[in-house]
Amino acid sequence: KAGVTQTPRYLIKTRGQQVTLSCSPISGHRSVSWYQQTPGQGLQFLFEYFSETQRNKGNFPGRFSGRQFSNSRSEMNVSTLELGDSALYLCASSPGTGTYEQYFGPGTRLTVT
Amino acid sequence: KQEVTQIPAALSVPEGENLVLNCSFTDSAIYNLQWFRQDPGKGLTSLLLIQSSQREQTSGRLNASLDKSSGRSTLYIAASQPGDSATYLCAVRPGANAGKSTFGDGTTLTVKP
Repeated sequence: KAGVTQTPRYLIKTRGQQVTLSCSPISGHRSVSWYQQTPGQGLQFLFEYFSETQRNKGNFPGRFSGRQFSNSRSEMNVSTLELGDSALYLCASSPGTGTYEQYFGPGTRLTVT
Repeated sequence: KQEVTQIPAALSVPEGENLVLNCSFTDSAIYNLQWFRQDPGKGLTSLLLIQSSQREQTSGRLNASLDKSSGRSTLYIAASQPGDSATYLCAVRPGANAGKSTFGDGTTLTVKP
């Protein structure tokens, strides 16, 4: 089985711009969760999508949004980028039922200048 | 609010030593607990998943235990090798449909040849 893929792997943006990150889950998995990882805050939950619906949401401002498509692929969008948005963004794929074991992708390293 | 603590933050051991990593959580109402390893700048690799009804799981040289009543989990690594050097994180899932896993800050393990 192919693993979780995330694109792009690296991204450099300027303050005020917007960015879209993509995540393709493991085939058959219906749940995709997004996390932000920074040295100071660790891993923080952004949101989870299950069957095209946002099922859970973390405590991030409305500039962070996401969606899931019918093939379970998910995108995350950050508008009006701030320097503090520089982080490793990780997505996790899960069946969405049963054990709910999470499988992570390699991440997208976003740098905001 | 669930809080997850991992102590120590860093650990250095000689090759061949058996070691234990600790994970504590404040709310015992969990669905599962998952251990991951993360290499620098990379995504998370799932090591072991323990459901709330289980006491332990084993995979090769790894053994994870769970004591919900005391809010603790341990990851035992037997016969450590330099390739085990990484950051180990534990994550607690509160409920089946609650995608917001809470992560500890991790223990960074260095195994010296």
